[in-house]
Amino acid sequence: DVKVTQSSRYLVKRTGEKVFLECVQDMDHENMFWYRQDPGLGLRLIYFSYDVKMKEKGDIPEGYSVSREKKERFSLILESASTNQTSMYLCASKDSAMPQYFGPGTRLLVL
Amino acid sequence: GESVGLHLPTLSVQEGDNSIINCAYSNSASDYFIWYKQESGKGPQFIIDIRSNMDKRQGQRVTVLLNKTVKHLSLQIAATQPGDSAVYFCAESHRTGGSYIPTFGRGTSLIVHP
Repeated sequence: DVKVTQSSRYLVKRTGEKVFLECVQDMDHENMFWYRQDPGLGLRLIYFSYDVKMKEKGDIPEGYSVSREKKERFSLILESASTNQTSMYLCASKDSAMPQYFGPGTRLLVL
Repeated sequence: GESVGLHLPTLSVQEGDNSIINCAYSNSASDYFIWYKQESGKGPQFIIDIRSNMDKRQGQRVTVLLNKTVKHLSLQIAATQPGDSAVYFCAESHRTGGSYIPTFGRGTSLIVHP
């Protein structure tokens, strides 16, 4: 079974803090994704990566950056957290024309 | 632009009934479609997929129908059970550069009454 893990289930941070969200997959997938999920807005793509050290902006990259130094790990960074970044963050991985496999999500609260 | 939408935000059914969740898409280049189930507090889970060279695919208690003429996708769940209560998302994708990047609908909440 594919396993996608996220470093934290719940996080509470203060405005202005730098926040790291980590995601690890164990199936040697080429592609990894970060989404945020908000009520009524569904899943919105922040960034994705199709290979090590490669990244592409999604629909809402502003205020975020990513890092993919190893194939199995994809990190989402909030350089200076703001209250409007309070959300559920979901990581996913997949190969080519195959379904995505999602992690359990990280619920981030920025105070 | 492309969009993936759902006809009903909430669907309530009785246990044992069949459920049908609908999804419309607008990108005629879409050639791969996926349904996901998301239970409360969890990440979305893959249920079933279908490629554009098919119009029907069956899984265990689930069937996906694809009508490319009207750009419509549906998920049918037979003999719906309380454990099927969740939010269901459709996603469409097509090749963009070197990869398939899914676009998700906003979800339909399925409520199963015992």
